[in-house]
Amino acid sequence: DTGVSQDPRHKITKRGQNVTFRCDPISEHNRLYWYRQTLGQGPEFLTYFQNEAQLEKSRLLSDRFSAERPKGSFSTLEIQRTEQGDSAMYLCASSLVKHTDTQYFGPGTRLTVL
Amino acid sequence: GESVGLHLPTLSVQEGDNSIINCAYSNSASDYFIWYKQESGKGPQFIIDIRSNMDKRQGQRVTVLLNKTVKHLSLQIAATQPGDSAVYFCAEEPNTGANSKLTFGKGITLSVRP
Repeated sequence: DTGVSQDPRHKITKRGQNVTFRCDPISEHNRLYWYRQTLGQGPEFLTYFQNEAQLEKSRLLSDRFSAERPKGSFSTLEIQRTEQGDSAMYLCASSLVKHTDTQYFGPGTRLTVL
Repeated sequence: GESVGLHLPTLSVQEGDNSIINCAYSNSASDYFIWYKQESGKGPQFIIDIRSNMDKRQGQRVTVLLNKTVKHLSLQIAATQPGDSAVYFCAEEPNTGANSKLTFGKGITLSVRP
């Protein structure tokens, strides 16, 4: 257990529905990252926050995706009007900014869109 | 549980033997590299990291070697154990000192024969 928690662990939804995932980082970590992983692939970067500020978004993050970190602690990732192609593992990681740091990953939320 | 090892190269080793897992990275400007281990249904777990000003770093039973000339990274696991069976990913941080997104390589499945 790295100290990063994600909820829910599994989510099954129907196409067109909205879903929201939550990530709680390691408490003293000021950076929080979202990645997406499909079967047989490595994680792909989606977005990251430093405290409350969203500093970078990948082109993978379509308009249907939105992420927030309102108080600089936990973060939510919402997917609107889900599509079957959104089915994946959504991973959250956190780190403490310094010259060299390490991103510690949570267990992920497995999304299945039917 | 699911497998993240589908369609990935597999390295099969005998328990007790040493394992060497190789990775080619893409960006010559990357200055920080990490090896992660991922077990089925779990998030990536940090194993060891190395900065570009080093060519070797040792941990407990693991050694990472970095060859910047050919952009090659390797992970050596001594006395491989059944618990080492997992998918292994190398990751690079493309922005020097910026502690931002990681780019993951293709994973390799390590299978340990008893």
